[in-house]
Amino acid sequence: GAGVSQSPSNKVTEKGKDVELRCDPISGHTALYWYRQSLGQGLEFLIYFQGNSAPDKSGLPSDRFSAERTGGSVSTLTIQRTQQEDSAVYLCASSQDGSNYNEQFFGPGTRLTVL
Amino acid sequence: AQKITQTQPGMFVQEKEAVTLDCTYDTSDPSYGLFWYKQPSSGEMIFLIYQGSYDQQNATEGRYSLNFQKARKSANLVISASQLGDSAMYFCAMREVPGFQKLVFGTGTRLLVSP
Repeated sequence: GAGVSQSPSNKVTEKGKDVELRCDPISGHTALYWYRQSLGQGLEFLIYFQGNSAPDKSGLPSDRFSAERTGGSVSTLTIQRTQQEDSAVYLCASSQDGSNYNEQFFGPGTRLTVL
Repeated sequence: AQKITQTQPGMFVQEKEAVTLDCTYDTSDPSYGLFWYKQPSSGEMIFLIYQGSYDQQNATEGRYSLNFQKARKSANLVISASQLGDSAMYFCAMREVPGFQKLVFGTGTRLLVSP
């Protein structure tokens, strides 16, 4: 399959632990996005990468959240000292470039549960 | 301020009938894009249709069409000949062209198609 992949699909962790969520975008897509979907909520933007740089980090909720992208491909979202309010589905999306028509292709998401 | 408003938390339609899902948006930028995504119970976000602010005609994709009324700032999704497989959450989203590429989503409408 050539779609966006994410791992793990489910993650259960204890409050205070760190977690890493991985996103593998569609090959050749230069733009990558992380969103969060909490129960009963719409999608909330977290961060946008163009290549390896992140020109928009405005959606990261706190300094416990960080993300990186290496080789213009795989991205990792790290949440340190997880809290119960971090429980959500974390969705990754990629798009071909930053052109006007910017269809974003989404991955299946990682469901994070913080106990 | 809410940028994307979906006022219908839930909609019901019978199979083979048409249904309209409402979306209004708020922006002061003249250049923007409007998107509709479908999210079935499996959780994956599926792109349906796109409308650019400068597009002269309403977008259509198969059974999906977008009723774009720029002066009213509305971008309603019309699904013709509903099918059981259309039962899902539907999200309207906007991307403002100047600046960054993130999508801003509404809170969604849950559509249930009955036989």
